[in-house]
Amino acid sequence: QVQLQESGPGLVKASETLSLTCSVSGNSIGSDNFYWSWVRHPPGKGLEWIGYIYYSGATYYNPSLQSRAILSMETSKNQFSLQLTSVTAADTAVYFCARVTYKYDDGGNPLAEYFQFWGPGSLVTVSS
Amino acid sequence: QSALTQPPSASGTPGQRVTLSCSGGTSNLGRHTVNWYQVLPGTAPKLLIHTTDQRPSGVPDRFSGSKSGTSASLVISGLQSDDEADYYCAAWDDSLDAHVFGTGTEVTVL
Repeated sequence: QVQLQESGPGLVKASETLSLTCSVSGNSIGSDNFYWSWVRHPPGKGLEWIGYIYYSGATYYNPSLQSRAILSMETSKNQFSLQLTSVTAADTAVYFCARVTYKYDDGGNPLAEYFQFWGPGSLVTVSS
Repeated sequence: QSALTQPPSASGTPGQRVTLSCSGGTSNLGRHTVNWYQVLPGTAPKLLIHTTDQRPSGVPDRFSGSKSGTSASLVISGLQSDDEADYYCAAWDDSLDAHVFGTGTEVTVL
């Protein structure tokens, strides 16, 4: 049974850096079958994808975050992390970590990509 | 403003069939499979349908998904009170170079 759990400060001051860690059990993040991702849910708004980190450490980010997001992983602890720099009130949200299942055809074209398992979420409030 | 548009609300009585729509474009639903997530108040999203029409283990067969061109649908057959939740569609978007979620539909059971 795959389980994910977010941890980190619930309150961050504007202009500072938000830092969250996702601890994974039941699945090695060093496995090449999955991506590891962060998604956030601002109050009263929809879900927003932040980025992925691959088992190799390679990362892929949502361009809308304008390079403020940094994902990293620590395979020895089976954890991956999110840092979001220069936060504003608009970054107030519940942050979720998730395991992403993906499939490609023989030509490298994507067949499927979905967020299969999620952590319970961590509310981060940005204060002025 | 999301690349995937959903009606803000939908409703039905217990036992009724409800269809939720998700409208996209050639850069997302026109090229990629769609997934659906259920978000109950105060909880993490739950994968309901993946790869357009596949149900994960444990999801009741009352939930079904389909896609045609640049639009997708989620059907809830036999609506139940615990189906009250927000429902989001999602897909990769080649133009935005990002995984995008729909605007979400709030389902109310009358």
